[in-house]
Amino acid sequence: AQSVTQLDSQVPVFEEAPVELRCNYSSSVSVYLFWYVQYPNQGLQLLLKYLSGSTLVKGINGFEAEFNKSQTSFHLRKPSVHISDTAEYFCAVSRGSARQLTFGSGTQLTVLP
Amino acid sequence: EAGVTQFPSHSVIEKGQTVTLRCDPISGHDNLYWYRRVMGKEIKFLLHFVKESKQDESGMPNNRFLAERTGGTYSTLKVQPAELEDSGVYFCASSQEEGQGVLEKLFFGSGTQLSVL
Repeated sequence: AQSVTQLDSQVPVFEEAPVELRCNYSSSVSVYLFWYVQYPNQGLQLLLKYLSGSTLVKGINGFEAEFNKSQTSFHLRKPSVHISDTAEYFCAVSRGSARQLTFGSGTQLTVLP
Repeated sequence: EAGVTQFPSHSVIEKGQTVTLRCDPISGHDNLYWYRRVMGKEIKFLLHFVKESKQDESGMPNNRFLAERTGGTYSTLKVQPAELEDSGVYFCASSQEEGQGVLEKLFFGSGTQLSVL
């Protein structure tokens, strides 16, 4: 079985500051990794994904994430956040052969003026 | 192009009642998923349709939940009878891709907030 741990349930940060949202996963096989964002009253939107290749993945809205196989992590980063980045962020994994996602419990990012 | 649409956006029912949630996927998307988030916890997989067939229903919690996808278009998820622990947000997602690519382009609806009192 695989699981996803998002270590911080709430992350407050000031506007224009950098942010890192942490995600660790457990799996004995190769995985695909995803970050989704949910803005208020909207559905989940894909931010970025790691399938193979370069371990540094760039996504939309200036976000990026780095796959670290030895530490089984896939942390999400942004060098300078905006008020509009306030949302809930979900890390998710799937095994290579699976057709379903396993999600973490989410991290609420709140950007303060 | 319309996105994944879910009805209703909110539903408040009493324990023991029946509720039916509906999902309209993006037109042409054969893959349809149901997920659920209970009480701010992780989002959990419920089941996966490919067209009208249930590809994987391993996440369905018990036999009070019944999902259908007549004609391979929209899907309904019925909870009968509803219990307090069924409260949460029910998400639907759809994808046009095949094989391993199905998760690479997955589009989610905004969810149905179900409250069982």
